[in-house]
Amino acid sequence: GAVVSQHPSRVICKSGTSVKIECRSLDFQATTMFWYRQFPKKSLMLMATSNEGSKATYEQGVEKDKFLINHASLTLSTLTVTSAHPEDSSFYICSARPEGTRAYTQYFGPGTRLTVL
Amino acid sequence: SQQGEEDPQALSIQEGENATMNCSYKTSINNLQWYRQNSGRGLVHLILIRSNEREKHSGRLRVTLDTSKKSSSLLITASRAADTASYFCATARDDKIIFGKGTRLHILP
Repeated sequence: GAVVSQHPSRVICKSGTSVKIECRSLDFQATTMFWYRQFPKKSLMLMATSNEGSKATYEQGVEKDKFLINHASLTLSTLTVTSAHPEDSSFYICSARPEGTRAYTQYFGPGTRLTVL
Repeated sequence: SQQGEEDPQALSIQEGENATMNCSYKTSINNLQWYRQNSGRGLVHLILIRSNEREKHSGRLRVTLDTSKKSSSLLITASRAADTASYFCATARDDKIIFGKGTRLHILP
């Protein structure tokens, strides 16, 4: 089956630092990847849609300068949380859509738990 | 933005009982999906039901869809301790998957 990995699985950083999270599709190519954020006991909120070779599309209310997304290849998208603050602490989940598939076909990564001290 | 609203938000039942979770949505859909998430983990896709389907089964799971009422239900029969998790409905819209708020299911031994 299609596998999506995320690295790191868990990260703790100091306030003011930047953190990069990687999302990789291991056995398929993904022209589109998605980044979600999830607070404890809450649902997944779509942050942005990442398209290979072009700028990401951000959802309303998501600061693009705060959450930098790069989709440099068909198997890798990165999310960088810049100048992280404690309120950025959350569970970040990515998903990847294989080339040529419909919008609802997405495979999810295991998530990255970010804690900002 | 949230598309789906699940109820109940939390549900505790005895092992062996059936668990029913409901989801309502606002816009027209092509299909609706249900996912499971164990605490602090990623999502597991459970089942997809298309807009022209009314009911679908997969093992102990039964999903119904009522497009006239814009609602869906997920039934887990003969619940097990391993079913303890959060369950989310999700709809596809404009090339995106939008998740509902979820139901936290706790199976009591």
